[in-house]
Amino acid sequence: QKEVEQNSGPLSVPEGAIASLNCTYSDRGSQSFFWYRQYSGKSPELIMSIYSNGDKEDGRFTAQLNKASQYVSLLIRDSQPSDSATYLCAVKRGNTPLVFGKGTRLSVIA
Amino acid sequence: KAGVTQTPRYLIKTRGQQVTLSCSPISGHRSVSWYQQTPGQGLQFLFEYFSETQRNKGNFPGRFSGRQFSNSRSEMNVSTLELGDSALYLCASSSPAQETQYFGPGTRLLVL
Repeated sequence: QKEVEQNSGPLSVPEGAIASLNCTYSDRGSQSFFWYRQYSGKSPELIMSIYSNGDKEDGRFTAQLNKASQYVSLLIRDSQPSDSATYLCAVKRGNTPLVFGKGTRLSVIA
Repeated sequence: KAGVTQTPRYLIKTRGQQVTLSCSPISGHRSVSWYQQTPGQGLQFLFEYFSETQRNKGNFPGRFSGRQFSNSRSEMNVSTLELGDSALYLCASSSPAQETQYFGPGTRLLVL
């Protein structure tokens, strides 16, 4: 059973701080890793994808992947109240289905 | 490019009825995946269609079925609805060259 684990939160951070969201996965053969953001009542929207070990930066967002530790994280710098949402980690191997974690709820306090 | 569209956006049905949901993928995308999202279970994979063929299937009963048409549009059907089928049903499309899935707005189904 392939699993993706995330702390459900809520993770509360003050405005302007760095939010750190973490995810572990069980399938060592996983090749592709994704972070989605989901606002309450809305559908998930893609934030970032990452495929190789290391860091990938896009604006205020940085995804970090460590395949040896089966760990992927998302850092949000200069957190804003508009970043308050549930963040979903998803993992994929080949043509098998995308496997989602249950998400971490982030609350950015103004 | 237009995004993934889903119809209808909201549905209210009663137990025992059946329902059909529709999904139109992003132009050029040939893969369509369906998910059920509930507060307790999170996003659960239903099935994936690629070029009119079911490529993957999740652990849902046979009451849940789907199909894909030659224009890549997809439908899912749930027969003999149960109260527990109340959920947000999401479809996502991806292109052959990419693994990234893009989600539609979802269909919120309420079974009474």
